[in-house]
Amino acid sequence: EAQVTQNPRYLITVTGKKLTVTCSQNMNHEYMSWYRQDPGLGLRQIYYSMNVEVTDKGDVPEGYKVSRKEKRNFPLILESPSPNQTSLYFCASTPRGTNYGYTFGSGTRLTVV
Amino acid sequence: KNEVEQSPQNLTAQEGEFITINCSYSVGISALHWLQQHPGGGIVSLFMLSSGKKKHGRLIATINIQEKHSSLHITASHPRDSAVYICAVRPSGSARQLTFGSGTQLTVLP
Repeated sequence: EAQVTQNPRYLITVTGKKLTVTCSQNMNHEYMSWYRQDPGLGLRQIYYSMNVEVTDKGDVPEGYKVSRKEKRNFPLILESPSPNQTSLYFCASTPRGTNYGYTFGSGTRLTVV
Repeated sequence: KNEVEQSPQNLTAQEGEFITINCSYSVGISALHWLQQHPGGGIVSLFMLSSGKKKHGRLIATINIQEKHSSLHITASHPRDSAVYICAVRPSGSARQLTFGSGTQLTVLP
């Protein structure tokens, strides 16, 4: 089944403890991206990647890192999480070209205390 | 002012009604997406439009590039259509970045 897999689905952590949210897609998509969703602010892009080893900042990249060492994986790294990073996170992928929709992961609900 | 405005923010309808959700944007775009987010939180891509009209089952999406406006229509609405519908645009010249509307919460009552 074609899908984007995010893990974990839920995570509660403490301020300052490094964490990684994994994202993997099995569709050979070139483009992958991370978003956060907050009440009243909607979805906002954190980082995106056009292909292996090619990443760039979205609208809200502060406090996050990403890497794209393999085409299928695009992990989101929080080196020192803070409470303002409590949010619902989504990973998505899409093929190269403009005529395609996005496939989203199931989401990761992160709480930083 | 947000680059992407949706209306209405909330919509309650009776089963069987015809529903319209609107999206207006202020920038030139290369594509517009309609997304559906169910209460469980998962997001599904419904349509990608760059011109004209698309139909899938009871869902119809239209876009008017000159007027910078898109509509999502649901015919013969059903309670299972209850969800948040989100409009997102890819600005012209952007490298795959999406700008999202705030979403429309649709509730269809039986």
